[in-house]
Amino acid sequence: GNSVTQMEGPVTLSEEAFLTINCTYTATGYPSLFWYVQYPGEGLQLLLKATKADDKGSNKGFEATYRKETTSFHLEKGSVQVSDSAVYFCALRNYGGSQGNLIFGKGTKLSVKP
Amino acid sequence: DGGITQSPKYLFRKEGQNVTLSCEQNLNHDAMYWYRQDPGQGLRLIYYSQIVNDFQKGDIAEGYSVSREKKESFPLTVTSAQKNPTAFYLCASSIGDGVQETQYFGPGTRLLVL
Repeated sequence: GNSVTQMEGPVTLSEEAFLTINCTYTATGYPSLFWYVQYPGEGLQLLLKATKADDKGSNKGFEATYRKETTSFHLEKGSVQVSDSAVYFCALRNYGGSQGNLIFGKGTKLSVKP
Repeated sequence: DGGITQSPKYLFRKEGQNVTLSCEQNLNHDAMYWYRQDPGQGLRLIYYSQIVNDFQKGDIAEGYSVSREKKESFPLTVTSAQKNPTAFYLCASSIGDGVQETQYFGPGTRLLVL
């Protein structure tokens, strides 16, 4: 079946540090891949997405590349800010079966200290 | 402003009581979804609707019911049959077809049992 595995948090970084949050997936076919961010007490916001192999999604300094050979979609940012503190969710959407069903990882909490 | 609204922000349920969570969108999206989020967990799909007057069960539909009488509205009822309803409930709607489909989320409703 389809599944998403994220690195466990919490991740604590100092401001301006480099961020990597690992995400790997299991899926048949060619899923679309997403990163969502959730700030405390709020809903999820779409951060970036990629729909095919070797696509790079990017937004607000965050990037992730769809790597089919390693079934990965790691999130990176070169210099984090305190305002990036949030929970980050990796998700995939496959086609056929439960149409529209997003499969989420468990989330990785990021804390950025000044 | 276009968006997805959920109300109330906090909801309290007494033993044996049914409660209804509201979700409204003015984005003209056809598809709408309900997810449940438990602490330290990813999101799990409860119900989804691709079109008015039609909806499908997700992975954890037991103890929940929905209706989709209008395109803009997709209310979720948590029935007394749901024995562990305390969670954060997120509504989403989506635009696009196939690989281009992207889901956007509301701010969430936190349900607590008295």
